[in-house]
Amino acid sequence: GAVVSQHPSWVICKSGTSVKIECRSLDFQATTMFWYRQFPKQSLMLMATSNEGSKATYEQGVEKDKFLINHASLTLSTLTVTSAHPEDSSFYICSARKARQGDGETQYFGPGTRLLVL
Amino acid sequence: DAKTTQPPSMDCAEGRAANLPCNHSTISGNEYVYWYRQIHSQGPQYIIHGLKNNETNEMASLIITEDRKSSTLILPHATLRDTAVYYCIVRPSGSQGNLIFGKGTKLSVKP
Repeated sequence: GAVVSQHPSWVICKSGTSVKIECRSLDFQATTMFWYRQFPKQSLMLMATSNEGSKATYEQGVEKDKFLINHASLTLSTLTVTSAHPEDSSFYICSARKARQGDGETQYFGPGTRLLVL
Repeated sequence: DAKTTQPPSMDCAEGRAANLPCNHSTISGNEYVYWYRQIHSQGPQYIIHGLKNNETNEMASLIITEDRKSSTLILPHATLRDTAVYYCIVRPSGSQGNLIFGKGTKLSVKP
């Protein structure tokens, strides 16, 4: 159990276009999902936290108008990179929090989406 | 900022136990210790977590000191596929806090 999927696994796009990345929790419900970004040879950086049915909370320095997050259901969150530019090229990873009462709340990660903007 | 300190790299011989240390001297009473690993070009994989007691699952064991200021992740019989970056993260239970990743420990399992 606790499988998180992402689609697509990789995408190449032209500068100025928008790209949508889907994150799904396949076998559990996730009230909270997270989006991370990872540049080469660096650690994961949290971009935003989204709760189902409410607006996402963005980390400092992350442009909310550029990285649109929608968390419409308990199993799906989407990240749209609007007007992508080469500097947005990165490895985007989503995560879903599985609630287990009284035992912490474990987060499970998707396989990641590699974005290359030309 | 990450609230944990880990060695940047470690080597381990295949078939031997890998012991990965983590210092979290400022841990609060309601914070869990989580371990994840990231194999190259993949998303992080959950390994184990604990609060006070030692924990064991099919992947690893987690030993937490009595004062909770440090912990050790033990992979009992390391294989080449265990080569990865291992992250030790502290996070409050409940809806508070997120997983903030530090630089982790690059574990290289060698034949």
